[in-house]
Amino acid sequence: EAQVTQNPRYLITVTGKKLTVTCSQNMNHEYMSWYRQDPGLGLRQIYYSMNVEVTDKGDVPEGYKVSRKEKRNFPLILESPSPNQTSLYFCATSGGPSTDTQYFGPGTRLTVL
Amino acid sequence: AQSVTQLDSQVPVFEEAPVELRCNYSSSVSVYLFWYVQYPNQGLQLLLKYLSGSTLVKGINGFEAEFNKSQTSFHLRKPSVHISDTAEYFCAVNRGGFKTIFGAGTRLFVKA
Repeated sequence: EAQVTQNPRYLITVTGKKLTVTCSQNMNHEYMSWYRQDPGLGLRQIYYSMNVEVTDKGDVPEGYKVSRKEKRNFPLILESPSPNQTSLYFCATSGGPSTDTQYFGPGTRLTVL
Repeated sequence: AQSVTQLDSQVPVFEEAPVELRCNYSSSVSVYLFWYVQYPNQGLQLLLKYLSGSTLVKGINGFEAEFNKSQTSFHLRKPSVHISDTAEYFCAVNRGGFKTIFGAGTRLFVKA
């Protein structure tokens, strides 16, 4: 079964404590992306990756890092989380960046106190 | 800059009534257009997409959308909604690059 998994699904943390949200896909997709969803703002792209070791900034990259060491995994790293990063985060994958359907993970709800 | 405007943040409708969710985009170049649906506590899934060709696009669950280039719109319609259609709907645009821009979303409430 085609799947995009994210862990953890829920996380409450404190300001400044480094955290990683993992994303894994079993569809052999080259293109992966991270979004954050905030009320009234829809989804905004944080980072994307075109393939292993190839990543680039989306529209709201400040405060986030990513890596793509393997094709299936695309973790999102918050080195020093702040309350304004409290949000719902989605990982998405697709075979290509523009015309292909994006497949979304179930989401990670992050609260930074 | 590219943007997507969903004109209604919430749309309440009675079961079996028709519904239209409106989406306008701004772009000076050709675009690819998408509608995604998000059911409660789930990720987004594709309803339909317009890449080229016929301007009327049919999707899953009885939804369809019409691409109107002159009005830069891509409105989503369903002739008769069900309670199970209650969800948030997102319009999205891609200009052929690596970035997809999403609208703010429209919450559809279907009442019995």
